[in-house]
Amino acid sequence: EAQVTQNPRYLITVTGKKLTVTCSQNMNHEYMSWYRQDPGLGLRQIYYSMNVEVTDKGDVPEGYKVSRKEKRNFPLILESPSPNQTSLYFCASSTSGRARTQYFGPGTRLLVL
Amino acid sequence: DAKTTQPPSMDCAEGRAANLPCNHSTISGNEYVYWYRQIHSQGPQYIIHGLKNNETNEMASLIITEDRKSSTLILPHATLRDTAVYYCIVRVAAGSARQLTFGSGTQLTVLP
Repeated sequence: EAQVTQNPRYLITVTGKKLTVTCSQNMNHEYMSWYRQDPGLGLRQIYYSMNVEVTDKGDVPEGYKVSRKEKRNFPLILESPSPNQTSLYFCASSTSGRARTQYFGPGTRLLVL
Repeated sequence: DAKTTQPPSMDCAEGRAANLPCNHSTISGNEYVYWYRQIHSQGPQYIIHGLKNNETNEMASLIITEDRKSSTLILPHATLRDTAVYYCIVRVAAGSARQLTFGSGTQLTVLP
């Protein structure tokens, strides 16, 4: 089944404790993105990647890192999480074709205490 | 990307067609109309997209006006599981992988 998977789905952590949220897709998509969703603010893009070893900042990249060493994986790294990074996070992937549709993962709900 | 306007909420009776409107009066010639939906806190789900012509797939139909300034998403036989926030997005398909701007969307509630 074509899908985007994220792990963990739920995470409670404390300020300053490094964490990684994994994202994997099995559709051989070139493009991958990370979004965060907060009440009243909609979905905001954190980072995106157009291919292996090619990443770029989205609209809210501060406090986050990403890497794209393999086409299928696009982990999101919080080196020193803070409470304002408490949010619902979504990974997405898409093809590079003309009518590009994005496929989203199930989400990771993060609480930083 | 062009701005879209959608009603904040709509109700629909189960089994009836749900017609969700979207205005995008500033759309450019190379911009597509996409529809996604998000069932409470789940990942957004792609529904359908179109450029000029009306489109239909197993989930829905998309009707785009001739001047392309508005469109309507039609769910032909709404079920309770179609209750979700529906987002109309207009953007250029080619180019970078930069952000889809989801906006506020329409909360569709399907009533039994």
